[in-house]
Amino acid sequence: GQQVMQIPQYQHVQEGEDFTTYCNSSTTLSNIQWYKQRPGGHPVFLIQLVKSGEVKKQKRLTFQFGEAKKNSSLHITATQTTDVGTYFCAGGSNYQLIWGAGTKLIIKP
Amino acid sequence: NAGVTQTPKFQVLKTGQSMTLQCAQDMNHNSMYWYRQDPGMGLRLIYYSASEGTTDKGEVPNGYNVSRLNKREFSLRLESAAPSQTSVYFCATRGLQPQHFGDGTRLSIL
Repeated sequence: GQQVMQIPQYQHVQEGEDFTTYCNSSTTLSNIQWYKQRPGGHPVFLIQLVKSGEVKKQKRLTFQFGEAKKNSSLHITATQTTDVGTYFCAGGSNYQLIWGAGTKLIIKP
Repeated sequence: NAGVTQTPKFQVLKTGQSMTLQCAQDMNHNSMYWYRQDPGMGLRLIYYSASEGTTDKGEVPNGYNVSRLNKREFSLRLESAAPSQTSVYFCATRGLQPQHFGDGTRLSIL
């Protein structure tokens, strides 16, 4: 079946360093969505990418959708303590999403 | 406030007991979903309802049943709970934009 692989599982950064997480799908995706989940919380929608090669920015966050619509990335510039959490990608059809396992962003003390 | 409400927030069951998790939304969304989230994993879809009166299996439906009672409510039932069903359960809805989640039910099966 369709799978979405997300790496790395964890990333430890110093505050102010950059963070990147990558998603790869076994099949072409109609769209990809990104969510953030704070510890103990629920996933919160960040953005949706639909077009091949699409790049979207939200302040320090940059989201990319690959040309083949099979991979995506989220890059955070100059991380802050408020960025802590797990970032998930999710891709799929109109009704069903297949979720990556998430990348946990940890800020080193 | 508009949103997705799940009850209960926490529950401990013994193996073999049954339970229904409740989800209600006031966002007037057609689609509703039940997911489970296990440690270190993403969300796995159990069942979904594209609209009132319809339900479909997701990735991991075994051991669960659902009811879309009306447009607002979508319940998840465990008929005979097993330790492997220990998890955090999230209900979500979807309108024109992607999914909105409830706060989750933390379920432990002993």
